[in-house]
Amino acid sequence: AQTVTQSQPEMSVQEAETVTLSCTYDTSESNYYLFWYKQPPSRQMILVIRQEAYKQQNATENRFSVNFQKAAKSFSLKISDSQLGDTAMYFCAFMKQVRDDKIIFGKGTRLHILP
Amino acid sequence: GAVVSQHPSWVICKSGTSVKIECRSLDFQATTMFWYRQFPKQSLMLMATSNEGSKATYEQGVEKDKFLINHASLTLSTLTVTSAHPEDSSFYICSASERQGARPPQYFGPGTRLTVL
Repeated sequence: AQTVTQSQPEMSVQEAETVTLSCTYDTSESNYYLFWYKQPPSRQMILVIRQEAYKQQNATENRFSVNFQKAAKSFSLKISDSQLGDTAMYFCAFMKQVRDDKIIFGKGTRLHILP
Repeated sequence: GAVVSQHPSWVICKSGTSVKIECRSLDFQATTMFWYRQFPKQSLMLMATSNEGSKATYEQGVEKDKFLINHASLTLSTLTVTSAHPEDSSFYICSASERQGARPPQYFGPGTRLTVL
């Protein structure tokens, strides 16, 4: 069975700083997807970034980038130039590379961006 | 991007009554829809996976007679909480994957807050 572990329940950083959220996972699959989702106070789930396991290049989306270490089964999210609007719950998630398969979420990291 | 809606966005009901929550994919066809439950300050827990025209697959520990799921069309799935009790109070989120989509992710609805008195 697949598991996703986020070891940081809560973090706080000053606005404009860079913050890294950690995530490790366990799987015996060789092909899979990893995601970071953001859940702001509205509770709408928003996809932040996606990484295909077969790609060695780390995914980036504007201020968001990941450090994907497949051998170590690590998938951290870096937020650069953090903004107040980045305050949210962040979930690391795993999905097998099978169409219509389920997503497995970590417990989440609550991120506070301080003014 | 693709849009998934849920109705109602919040509902309050008395203990013992049944509540139906709708999940619709507005601009795409979804062969598969997922239902999650989220308690305050916790993660999303998958309850069941529903495929259009077939019975839902429930996760271990989820009572299928209590949480009835129907996926009658490619754009609509419903979750009915039968004989609701206060412990069923939670935030329910659905998601949908595109029929022809060869890539993830699932698209998430905005959620439904259920409060059982």
